[in-house]
Amino acid sequence: DIVMTQSPDSLAVSLGERATINCKSSQSLLYSSNNKNYLAWYQQKPGQPPKLLIYWASTRESGVPDRFSGSGSGTDFTLTISSLQAEDVAVYYCYQYYNTPLMFTFGQGTKLEIK
Amino acid sequence: QVQLVQSGAEVKKPGSSVKVSCKASGTTFSSHAINWVRQARGQGLEWMGGIIPILGTPNYAQNFQGRVTITADISATTVYMELSSLTSEDTAVYYCARDSSGLGWFDPWGQGTLVTVSS
Repeated sequence: DIVMTQSPDSLAVSLGERATINCKSSQSLLYSSNNKNYLAWYQQKPGQPPKLLIYWASTRESGVPDRFSGSGSGTDFTLTISSLQAEDVAVYYCYQYYNTPLMFTFGQGTKLEIK
Repeated sequence: QVQLVQSGAEVKKPGSSVKVSCKASGTTFSSHAINWVRQARGQGLEWMGGIIPILGTPNYAQNFQGRVTITADISATTVYMELSSLTSEDTAVYYCARDSSGLGWFDPWGQGTLVTVSS
């Protein structure tokens, strides 16, 4: 199985500042035939199901604010929130969908708080 | 707009089984995978398994092999997840989630079903 490891486990950032969350996979998520990274990011607020933010490592889901961006390739990925807003307090998960069919794994999550 | 509506909270005894349903509406049901993800209190997300209803053959995560059964009723546009031999460690919120793109990421998600295992 592909293991996804996020860092840090928790993060406190001041409002308006940049937040950066890292995700490392135990094997490459880059599929050579289409040059796409099979990596997504989710945001989960308390009492709610996860919400899809980004797929293909860097493509924002429709309706997601442009302060959220994803980057990286292969085994190392980053989610960046360029200017933290109060409503961004949540737990963020990376997720790989490289293993098909139907064999997926999540990172352990990063809790983002306001400093 | 696709919606997934799950069955209500359950309280079960250790050693018993639980069956949670996930009904899809507002979409063609059978060609996209429905997956199950669980989340223990204060813990992360754990993929359990999934099924493409029209194919009918589920895939299960290794951690749940032999204990979980995922089935689909196309006529009812509903997917079921049954977990057996319950222990207190299975107390969690169970989510269903659809792979609407057909490419692997999950969106939308059901509202979640709390399963409590207690003697």
